Amino acid sequence: NAGVMQNPRHLVRRRGQEARLRCSPMKGHSHVYWYRQLPEEGLKFMVYLQKENIIDESGMPKERFSAEFPKEGPSILRIQQVVRGDSAAYFCASSPGQGIFNEQFFGPGTRLTVL
Amino acid sequence: QKEVEQNSGPLSVPEGAIASLNCTYSDRGSQSFFWYRQYSGKSPELIMSIYSNGDKEDGRFTAQLNKASQYVSLLIRDSQPSDSATYLCAVKVDSNYQLIWGAGTKLIIKP
Repeated sequence: NAGVMQNPRHLVRRRGQEARLRCSPMKGHSHVYWYRQLPEEGLKFMVYLQKENIIDESGMPKERFSAEFPKEGPSILRIQQVVRGDSAAYFCASSPGQGIFNEQFFGPGTRLTVL
Repeated sequence: QKEVEQNSGPLSVPEGAIASLNCTYSDRGSQSFFWYRQYSGKSPELIMSIYSNGDKEDGRFTAQLNKASQYVSLLIRDSQPSDSATYLCAVKVDSNYQLIWGAGTKLIIKP
């Protein structure tokens, strides 16, 4: 059973470019969560999605950031016009549901570096 | 404001000893509690989940939950250098709410 998959694992962008991060949840999981982690800091929740729906985007910056989880295909976190402050590790996690017993499992992450 | 507090450490423990990691949470309605391990440069890995008061054991790991005192702890017996990592505590308030994360405790096991 494949785990959560993320790609690319490393992404380098110049300031002003766009970054697209992809996440495929574990088989049987329909809930996806995106987190950001700066070096030596904790996890920061960004957005929670189910298929075709954004459930909670309270942690996502209002500008330049967007997320989707289409009916077919992976979840995408999109960062437009990247700035150096966007350099971080971006983790995706998935769960089978949202009940109290539903555990989140993490992918390997995408390390974004903005030059 | 729902909060989860952890001592940032580092917590230094000699090899073979018991490492004790603690986590307190603010919302008395919290129902699910999770411990994740994160090695430097890697993603968080779920190691324990606990839902009811008392102890839950899995190998060298024991999670302890005390809802009355609003704390959850993780004990690691016979600590190994490979246990050196940051341990994250996460709490779920109810089925419609996200995980609330602590900032993590850095654990160092000294050979």
